Amino acid sequence: SQQGEEDPQALSIQEGENATMNCSYKTSINNLQWYRQNSGRGLVHLILIRSNEREKHSGRLRVTLDTSKKSSSLLITASRAADTASYFCATEIYNQGGKLIFGQGTELSVKP
Amino acid sequence: DAGVIQSPRHEVTEMGQEVTLRCKPISGHDYLFWYRQTMMRGLELLIYFNNNVPIDDSGMPEDRFSAKMPNASFSTLKIQPSEPRDSAVYFCASSDTWEGTDTQYFGPGTRLTVL
Repeated sequence: SQQGEEDPQALSIQEGENATMNCSYKTSINNLQWYRQNSGRGLVHLILIRSNEREKHSGRLRVTLDTSKKSSSLLITASRAADTASYFCATEIYNQGGKLIFGQGTELSVKP
Repeated sequence: DAGVIQSPRHEVTEMGQEVTLRCKPISGHDYLFWYRQTMMRGLELLIYFNNNVPIDDSGMPEDRFSAKMPNASFSTLKIQPSEPRDSAVYFCASSDTWEGTDTQYFGPGTRLTVL
């Protein structure tokens, strides 16, 4: 199965609520990255967390990484309608520098 | 920098025709990736290059697909002959080893429809 599997596949919330997306992976990694894709556009890098880090923040984004469970979560606080997009996790596999393996994505819908 | 540039943005062709997709990576980036995205299969890595050399083409579906990178500023993905099941959005992305993170920068994609 996929190196990166995301949960849930789809999430619908109201503006102002928090959104949490999860990603699980199978092999050792150098880092894990989250990307965002607006409908009809390319993916855009959001945030990166290295394998020796446990938590990272960037604006309204908070990412956690648990290497013992091989999982990560992305939290978007105080969501806005403009956050509506698909969110993908991507892992750089240990000793396979250069290549990222993307998950299937979580489709987030934020209703005004 | 203008970012990763892809052309054409949309391509509609008939089954059996040759299709060539083009990509200009961000200047100075040494990795270039070709992906295909469909609803059914998600985002698939087709092939990637490092310093213009193909490193891993295990994701190329079959011999009908070929990719080249003749220089650091240009790459092509060719499908010959095209089939309806090749309909997808094809993305090119580039990254810079010197960033140390392998963050990838994606182009806007080429939406291919094979009739």
